[in-house]
Amino acid sequence: GAVVSQHPSWVICKSGTSVKIECRSLDFQATTMFWYRQFPKQSLMLMATSNEGSKATYEQGVEKDKFLINHASLTLSTLTVTSAHPEDSSFYICSARNYRGYTGELFFGEGSRLTVL
Amino acid sequence: GIQVEQSPPDLILQEGANSTLRCNFSDSVNNLQWFHQNPWGQLINLFYIPSGTKQNGRLSATTVATERYSLLYISSSQTTDSGVYFCAVHTGTASKLTFGTGTRLQVTL
Repeated sequence: GAVVSQHPSWVICKSGTSVKIECRSLDFQATTMFWYRQFPKQSLMLMATSNEGSKATYEQGVEKDKFLINHASLTLSTLTVTSAHPEDSSFYICSARNYRGYTGELFFGEGSRLTVL
Repeated sequence: GIQVEQSPPDLILQEGANSTLRCNFSDSVNNLQWFHQNPWGQLINLFYIPSGTKQNGRLSATTVATERYSLLYISSSQTTDSGVYFCAVHTGTASKLTFGTGTRLQVTL
């Protein structure tokens, strides 16, 4: 299968600061990446779709100014949580498609656990 | 949007037992995947299965797209099978993945 890597795995920050999470496809080019959020004991919720070279598409209810997504290359997408607050504490996980199309299998990174104090 | 329901929500098995997990979805889908989320949160790809049956070791999956459900079979369960199992469906032109509600499995000795 394809390899997707996230960094950092864990991050603790103070309220009001910004945090950047990286998602990399290591052995393939990913024209599309997806960002998900998971609260404890809940399912994964799609936050946004990231397309290389264009603006991200956000799901309803997700603040685009709060969660900045950049997909500047075919192997890297970043999620920046701006002015983080304790309610932003969550598990963030990205996925990438190993196919230059719309129906390929999705692979996930290891996830990033954010704690905002 | 599409609804994806999984059952049972929680399952406790003794090591060696077999189980069937179900995934129902409310609309047509492009494709379907099964994942195992381990205690550290990582999602492990199990199956990519739009229709038919696939097997991988002690695990197998069957998707009946026309009836909008998929089943995951776990045979001879082991403690390392513990975790949460998610099905997820691909929908729309961008083939976004919508996750099911999950089944939390605990395998005991």
